Amino acid sequence: QVQLQESGPGLVKPSGTLSLTCAVADYSISNNHYWNWVRQAPGKGLEWIGEIHHRGTTNYSPSLRGRVTISVDKSKNQLSLELSSVTAADTAVYYCARGGLIPGYYFDYWGQGTLVTVSS
Amino acid sequence: QSALTQPRSVSGSPGQSVTISCTGTSSDVGAYNYVSWYQQHPGKVPKFMIYDVSKRPSGVPDRFSGSKSGNTASLTISGLQAEDEADYYCCSYAVSHTYVFGSGTKVTVL
Repeated sequence: QVQLQESGPGLVKPSGTLSLTCAVADYSISNNHYWNWVRQAPGKGLEWIGEIHHRGTTNYSPSLRGRVTISVDKSKNQLSLELSSVTAADTAVYYCARGGLIPGYYFDYWGQGTLVTVSS
Repeated sequence: QSALTQPRSVSGSPGQSVTISCTGTSSDVGAYNYVSWYQQHPGKVPKFMIYDVSKRPSGVPDRFSGSKSGNTASLTISGLQAEDEADYYCCSYAVSHTYVFGSGTKVTVL
């Protein structure tokens, strides 16, 4: 059973950089999947942020491109998210999720999510 | 890239069927047969329910079914049960290797 666990600061100052890590357990991140970040603002819907393959290929949401960077650390079996120049609009629960076995266009395993609040 | 359009809410009595629509464009729903659906109970993690428009992952009851016509996908819940009360989100693969989620639909079991 794949397990994903997000971690990182729960509070980030406006104009700062949000940094989160997703540790993947019981499954190799080097298998043929994309690994994704999805967020959900309080009381709002899901928003796809971006994805990464262990070979380094990334795809990002057009609305966040330019502010977002997703990376992978195969030695630690984890992926990371950095979102720069944050504002209150970036306050959300951030989830990491496994994409389907390529070519699988869905998200089958999700982490528990971590709430990040942008506030001074 | 705007969110896919879903009704804000749908409701039905136990045993009835409800259908949730998910309307996109020719750049997402209409372009690919890669629509997936997720169920989310309050305060919980989204659960993977449907993929590739109409396929069910193992463990998902066959009361849940999906379909698509043109730019609109649909999720039907047959034999509605109390535990089906939740928010439901569609998601479509889209051009330029991106994904777009729907706005979400609250299903209420009367």
